[in-house]
Parts: sequence; structure tokens; C-alpha cells
Amino acid sequence: DTGVSQNPRHKITKRGQNVTFRCDPISEHNRLYWYRQTLGQGPEFLTYFQNEAQLEKSRLLSDRFSAERPKGSFSTLEIQRTEQGDSAMYLCASSIGTGQADTQYFGPGTRLTVL
Amino acid sequence: AQSVTQLGSHVSVSEGALVLLRCNYSSSVPPYLFWYVQYPNQGLQLLLKYTTGATLVKGINGFEAEFKKSETSFHLTKPSAHMSDAAEYFCAVNTGGFKTIFGAGTRLFVKA
Repeated sequence: DTGVSQNPRHKITKRGQNVTFRCDPISEHNRLYWYRQTLGQGPEFLTYFQNEAQLEKSRLLSDRFSAERPKGSFSTLEIQRTEQGDSAMYLCASSIGTGQADTQYFGPGTRLTVL
Repeated sequence: AQSVTQLGSHVSVSEGALVLLRCNYSSSVPPYLFWYVQYPNQGLQLLLKYTTGATLVKGINGFEAEFKKSETSFHLTKPSAHMSDAAEYFCAVNTGGFKTIFGAGTRLFVKA
């Protein structure tokens, strides 16, 4: 068990550019979650995958955001035409189970700064 | 709609003193409740969770929390603070579905 990994750890980009983040969950975990965390706030739910299916998506996730989990393994989160308001820490978590009380294991996050 | 309120964005205690971090939730159905801890430059880590059954839940590192339905609270306590407990603590709630709602967090400072 090597834990959840996220890459890159830091990303600085200019407004209007596209960025893509990767999350590698703990192997055999069937569930994967993306959150966004801004300074002084707790994580905000963005989206959820069960295996390769995206089952839930927050209204926070505008059309500029897209997430995929091909083959139910790693996941990517892409932000198109970045805005300064997108600056935040993007967290990925994974879990194994079938209920709502699964323990989620979090990665260290990707910090995005949009200039 | 479900929500979580953590009272106090910062709490400071002396080493050896009681730690009490407050969390109140709003939910129309029986909730699942969680406490997570975040150390600097590390991912969130689960401290403990309440699902059903016993309302006093024990977690890692000597922490425990009590679910009080009548008060809609899930406060986190530890009898004796240690310097290594300094971190940010998040209370979270899930009322079904796959969306977990987190509070804004409480940063715990431990003074020597």
C-alpha cells in the first residue's frame, strides 16, 4: 500500500491556459473522489467515480472542468481556460467499499496557482 | 441540506491539557460523521468515524468523539494534548450518496 499519489504537487499557470492533474489511487480501491480546498476552508466535493463511471458531479464543477477515470484506475482532472478563481489545492481520495461510511484515503494534493 | 459548522477556526491549548474541538451538523436523516486531521504538507487522515451503534467513538492517537443527536453535535476530545497533535482538524458529514461535506476546519496549537 503506497498510498494515494498526485502529480504534479504544484502547478503555476497563466490565466487562460489548460491544466491537467493526475491521481493514482490505492490499488484495488474502486472509488475515487476529487475535492477542491481553498485557504481557510475545508475540502469541497467536486466529483466521484465508482470504477470508471462518474456517478456524481458537484454544481461547483463548471463546464471548464472535466474528470476521467479510464479503466477504473488512475484519474485525471482537467481545467480548461483557467481563471484566477481556480487557484486552490486539488485533493484526490480513494476508498474501497459499497456504503457511504467508507474511509477515504487522501493524497497530498496538487496546488494550483493561476497568475 | 446537510452542513457542518466547526466552532473556532483556531484553538490553543497547553501541552497536557484537554483538547476540545467542536462540531455541529445539520441533517434531516441519520448522518455518518467523521473527523479528519491534516498535518502540514500531508494528506487528510481519518481520526475516527461514527456510523451506527455506540455513540462514543474512539479513534487513533487517543482521540474520541461523542455523537449527540439531540444536540446535533460530534465534538472531538483528547484528555491530554501532545505537541504532535498540532494540526488542522476537519469534521465531516455524509447523509447518503457519495458526497461528504466538510467543515471549515479548526487549527489546533499546542503550547509547551
